[in-house]
Amino acid sequence: NAGVTQTPKFQVLKTGQSMTLQCAQDMNHEYMSWYRQDPGMGLRLIHYSVGAGITDQGEVPNGYNVSRSTTEDFPLRLLSAAPSQTSVYFCASSPLVESRGETQYFGPGTRLLVL
Amino acid sequence: AQTVTQSQPEMSVQEAETVTLSCTYDTSESDYYLFWYKQPPSRQMILVIRQEAYKQQNATENRFSVNFQKAAKSFSLKISDSQLGDAAMYFCAYRSTTMNRDDKIIFGKGTRLHILP
Repeated sequence: NAGVTQTPKFQVLKTGQSMTLQCAQDMNHEYMSWYRQDPGMGLRLIHYSVGAGITDQGEVPNGYNVSRSTTEDFPLRLLSAAPSQTSVYFCASSPLVESRGETQYFGPGTRLLVL
Repeated sequence: AQTVTQSQPEMSVQEAETVTLSCTYDTSESDYYLFWYKQPPSRQMILVIRQEAYKQQNATENRFSVNFQKAAKSFSLKISDSQLGDAAMYFCAYRSTTMNRDDKIIFGKGTRLHILP
């Protein structure tokens, strides 16, 4: 099992550019989520999904879109990058339903710099 | 909405000593899960310990243990015999057991732990 994979590891964007952060998991987890981590702010939930075709907004969804067409993939789209979106982005997955005590499995993170 | 508060942005402890990291949370639910995660400089998120709210017994994992006070909504992490490898950012997290779409996992802002040799 590869676990949770994220690509790219590092990206530099110019203001106004768009891009997609990829996230995939091979553990057949229903729950997937995206967080951003900023100094002194902890991990803040951007969007999450409890299954294919279902997505919901988290704490800081503005400027980001997600879709969940398959169980395995949960891409995060930046429509028009802004310097405020400079951050480290983590994707995570876990079982749902009866296994809510299970830990989330985190990807290695994507470091994004918006100039 | 649930919230998780870690009031200590940074802490230091002498190697081999014991340190306690605090975490408080706010929820109206009676059943939930609480977690402590460790994030070393590699940025990898590692589960340290978990606690189910309906279990009164405090969870323990080797040198790591929690003091879970449900009425006070407190969930502190105790690290015994601190080692240099324990230096990291520690996050407290909350997860509801409610089986609906509102399945958010909420993190605190973290406590950076320094281990002094």
